[in-house]
Amino acid sequence: GAGVSQSPSNKVTEKGKDVELRCDPISGHTALYWYRQSLGQGLEFLIYFQGNSAPDKSGLPSDRFSAERTGGSVSTLTIQRTQQEDSAVYLCASSLTGLNEKLFFGSGTQLSVL
Amino acid sequence: AQKITQTQPGMFVQEKEAVTLDCTYDTSDQSYGLFWYKQPSSGEMIFLIYQGSYDEQNATEGRYSLNFQKARKSANLVISASQLGDSAMYFCAMRDVYSGGGADGLTFGKGTHLIIQP
Repeated sequence: GAGVSQSPSNKVTEKGKDVELRCDPISGHTALYWYRQSLGQGLEFLIYFQGNSAPDKSGLPSDRFSAERTGGSVSTLTIQRTQQEDSAVYLCASSLTGLNEKLFFGSGTQLSVL
Repeated sequence: AQKITQTQPGMFVQEKEAVTLDCTYDTSDQSYGLFWYKQPSSGEMIFLIYQGSYDEQNATEGRYSLNFQKARKSANLVISASQLGDSAMYFCAMRDVYSGGGADGLTFGKGTHLIIQP
């Protein structure tokens, strides 16, 4: 696609429910990143995928968070048993090789946990 | 560990004036990259400018320039002739060049909210 696509753009859920956030990176980009941005804050790095390689999960805030990337392309971030503190904008980004280059960001998913 | 500090939570600037957004960083790495991103109210992060730690010249991209002072670990963004459309959040970020292919992602500062007034 022309840019990084994220869906849904907004998600409202009840505490305790599971949610799935999707990211479709720019075609041909091997590197994919997930970030979380809480209200009025900077971006918190969550996880990085390079192609089909297993990701480093150490940045995920808790074991309720998981992410996968199928076929080296689309990625899904799953949050189980959501809590109110999970409310944030979840941003996905991709880059061509994952080396020292700029990241292209999607418009994010605004997650609200009631 | 890398750290980015942006000391200006908010700034008001008159249209057409130049703007300097401060950014200082802390790292023990010798090779690193510095980035500035703009985030308008739409939420998307827009890349503005990049400076490599070994680049001798300050980076420039149109109205944007990066005042890189390596000894001071400073990477201020300068916007010349500000426009109303420049109103947005601005984030300074960095990464280690040899971070194993981006394993640590970018480290971001908390941002500066810039408002351009007519």
